[in-house]
Amino acid sequence: DAGITQSPRHKVTETGTPVTLRCHQTENHRYMYWYRQDPGHGLRLIHYSYGVKDTDKGEVSDGYSVSRSKTEDFLLTLESATSSQTSVYFCATKTGGQTNTGELFFGEGSRLTVL
Amino acid sequence: GDSVTQMEGPVTLSEEAFLTINCTYTATGYPSLFWYVQYPGEGLQLLLKATKADDKGSNKGFEATYRKETTSFHLEKGSVQVSDSAVYFCALSSGGSQGNLIFGKGTKLSVKP
Repeated sequence: DAGITQSPRHKVTETGTPVTLRCHQTENHRYMYWYRQDPGHGLRLIHYSYGVKDTDKGEVSDGYSVSRSKTEDFLLTLESATSSQTSVYFCATKTGGQTNTGELFFGEGSRLTVL
Repeated sequence: GDSVTQMEGPVTLSEEAFLTINCTYTATGYPSLFWYVQYPGEGLQLLLKATKADDKGSNKGFEATYRKETTSFHLEKGSVQVSDSAVYFCALSSGGSQGNLIFGKGTKLSVKP
């Protein structure tokens, strides 16, 4: 158990409002990822981080931004939420260096509904 | 680019039946391959993995063999239980600076008593 907590776990918001999802990890893992899970699409990478202040875009990054000011926290922000961003969002982490087996450790997910 | 294709579900089996979930991949290089399981309302958990050709990953009665010649990593279990009902995802490591996993679309398994 990599000690990954996501907050909030559930959120309902309206179109056009900003939303921030937080991922917090206690394992000092170097890499952190945000995925979204949608029926018929599996999991798709939104953004990832390879260290403090080091982030990059994934497959479906439009409309999302991220920040990582500390090793343990990775924030996902929807500046102006749209209905197409209704989804379940998963944070994942991975160790770096020689202990890296390629395995990702996942949080329990945050269900976001945009009305 | 790299991709994973797995059989579409849902798959419904009776308890003690044999399970196969097909997974094939397209990748440059030599990725590691994974099966993850997602129980209702939970995040994904690693079920098993294989890091090179001909490796067999196994866990909780599930097995999968990394077949480079057929670019496949099929998941099998000889006798499923009701508690195996979940969504199963095949994934490969993308390598490079991202190091993320690329997932298939998932296969939902329902096991009936």
